[in-house]
Amino acid sequence: NAGVMQNPRHLVRRRGQEARLRCSPMKGHSHVYWYRQLPEEGLKFMVYLQKENIIDESGMPKERFSAEFPKEGPSILRIQQVVRGDSAAYFCASSPGTSGDNSYEQYFGPGTRLTVT
Amino acid sequence: GDSVTQMEGPVTLSEEAFLTINCTYTATGYPSLFWYVQYPGEGLQLLLKATKADDKGSNKGFEATYRKETTSFHLEKGSVQVSDSAVYFCARIKKSGWGKLQFGAGTQVVVTP
Repeated sequence: NAGVMQNPRHLVRRRGQEARLRCSPMKGHSHVYWYRQLPEEGLKFMVYLQKENIIDESGMPKERFSAEFPKEGPSILRIQQVVRGDSAAYFCASSPGTSGDNSYEQYFGPGTRLTVT
Repeated sequence: GDSVTQMEGPVTLSEEAFLTINCTYTATGYPSLFWYVQYPGEGLQLLLKATKADDKGSNKGFEATYRKETTSFHLEKGSVQVSDSAVYFCARIKKSGWGKLQFGAGTQVVVTP
């Protein structure tokens, strides 16, 4: 059973460009979470999605950032007009979302390391 | 608001030494508690968890006990190896289980031969 997949693993963008980060959850998982890890800092929650729905986006910056999890295909975190401060590691996690003791456990992908030059 | 506080690193130990990483949490809503480990250049791996008071999570020689009276979830290992060198994150989630994980700042552990 493949784990959470993220691509690309490394992404370099110039200031003002767009960054698209993809996350394929584990098979059978319907809940996706995005977290950001800034240099020398811990992980901060950004957004929680279920298929076609944003459940909690309280950690998303108000501008330039958006996320989706369509009915088909991976979840996408999109950053428009990137700035140097967006340079970070972005991690996706997924959980089953069904009932059961382990239904809420989040499994993390390897991350996408975004560098803005 | 809800938060998790863990001891600052780096923690440097010799192989076979005893490791403790302190973690305390805010007590709102009886959360579930987790320890995650991050090896260099990788994502986070769930190390262990506890869902209610007095539960003990354990895995790979690591243990942590959910202490409601002290709102703590300290991570311990009796004899560390060089391969345990990593960053360790304490985290909480609300009791219902679904939603955001709230992480501590992370503690880097360096084990020397």
